[in-house]
Amino acid sequence: ETGVTQSPTHLIKTRGQQVTLRCSSQSGHNTVSWYQQALGQGPQFIFQYYREEENGRGNFPPRFSGLQFPNYSSELNVNALELDDSALYLCASRDRFITGELFFGEGSRLTVL
Amino acid sequence: AQKVTQAQTEISVVEKEDVTLDCVYETRDTTYYLFWYKQPPSGELVFLIRRNSFDEQNEISGRYSWNFQKSTSSFNFTITASQVVDSAVYFCALSDISGNTPLVFGKGTRLSVIA
Repeated sequence: ETGVTQSPTHLIKTRGQQVTLRCSSQSGHNTVSWYQQALGQGPQFIFQYYREEENGRGNFPPRFSGLQFPNYSSELNVNALELDDSALYLCASRDRFITGELFFGEGSRLTVL
Repeated sequence: AQKVTQAQTEISVVEKEDVTLDCVYETRDTTYYLFWYKQPPSGELVFLIRRNSFDEQNEISGRYSWNFQKSTSSFNFTITASQVVDSAVYFCALSDISGNTPLVFGKGTRLSVIA
């Protein structure tokens, strides 16, 4: 069983640029969610996707957007990067119809200079 | 609104000592789930336990045990005979009973176990 994989693992961008982060969900999982974890903080929910549609969103501005593909993989896009966007971005997947734990990837660490 | 508080920012213990990580939560829901996750330096959040609010029995899994007290809104985590491999950041989290809402995490407790 393949776990949640994310790419890239590390990246550096400059303020104003755009970034795309990718996530492959665990086999059989149809729901993907994204979390932002700033240094020294707990993860904060960004949004969740099910059947290629966003079905839940946290307190993040519209420049944070996402996609889910038919194979359940997902992308997180952030436009007009700001210094405060520097964080670890975690992807998590689960089966929507099985109430259970989220399975997390190792994250993509974004540094904005 | 839901909230999770982990008052201990950092804890250091010597190997083989017992250590308890505190978690206090707030929710208006009468039914909910509570979780503990471990985050090693690699960054991945590793699931440790899920407990629903119906079940107040304490749980033990090897060296790990959890004490859920609904009356005080606490869900504490104890590691017995700590080991260096237990060094990590530990997060307590909360979600509603449907499991379809996002997890609300505390800020985490960084545990350092010294050999």
